[in-house]
Amino acid sequence: EADIYQTPRYLVIGTGKKITLECSQTMGHDKMYWYQQDPGMELHLIHYSYGVNSTEKGDLSSESTVSRIRTEHFPLTLESARPSHTSQYLCASSEPRGGGYNEQFFGPGTRLTVL
Amino acid sequence: EDKVVQSPLSLVVHEGDTVTLNCSYEVTNFRSLLWYKQEKKAPTFLFMLTSSGIEKKSGRLSSILDKKELSSILNITATQTGDSAIYLCATGGAAGNKLTFGGGTRVLVKP
Repeated sequence: EADIYQTPRYLVIGTGKKITLECSQTMGHDKMYWYQQDPGMELHLIHYSYGVNSTEKGDLSSESTVSRIRTEHFPLTLESARPSHTSQYLCASSEPRGGGYNEQFFGPGTRLTVL
Repeated sequence: EDKVVQSPLSLVVHEGDTVTLNCSYEVTNFRSLLWYKQEKKAPTFLFMLTSSGIEKKSGRLSSILDKKELSSILNITATQTGDSAIYLCATGGAAGNKLTFGGGTRVLVKP
């Protein structure tokens, strides 16, 4: 079973606040991902990382930023939260096989509500 | 742009029924197709199908990849209420490590 953790699990916050969503994995996976998912909708990739100091934007444009200073840690930050950021954010990691053959393991998600 | 389409959007069955879920894809340099089950929160991995492994089975769940038709099916036999979930299909292509997800099929199994 995958060991990937996200905190907080739920967050309700006011407009304009800065927030950081935490994601950690203990499997030594090089590759990590952030997805955004609205209720009943598809998962959209917003950021990914292939290793320390590597970050890329995903398929869906996002105002959030990420960093990868340590292999196990991939936090996502919103400098100024807005109601349009209300969504579920899922973090995932995958084994270092690459080439499209990797299964991704997901964390429990953070449900963010911005008032 | 890679594209994954799942059908039906949702279905309701009774315990003991068999369900078949469909996934079709358009992917540049297809590498793999993955099925996930999503209940309340995070998707959990079910199967990965590739050119060298086009059929997978685990208990009551099985999946087949049809590379000619660019599609896959997920079968669940003798359904149970615990099978109620959203089933997600995703593909990995030339971009290597990124997955493209379909919109999912919501399955509700009634007692």
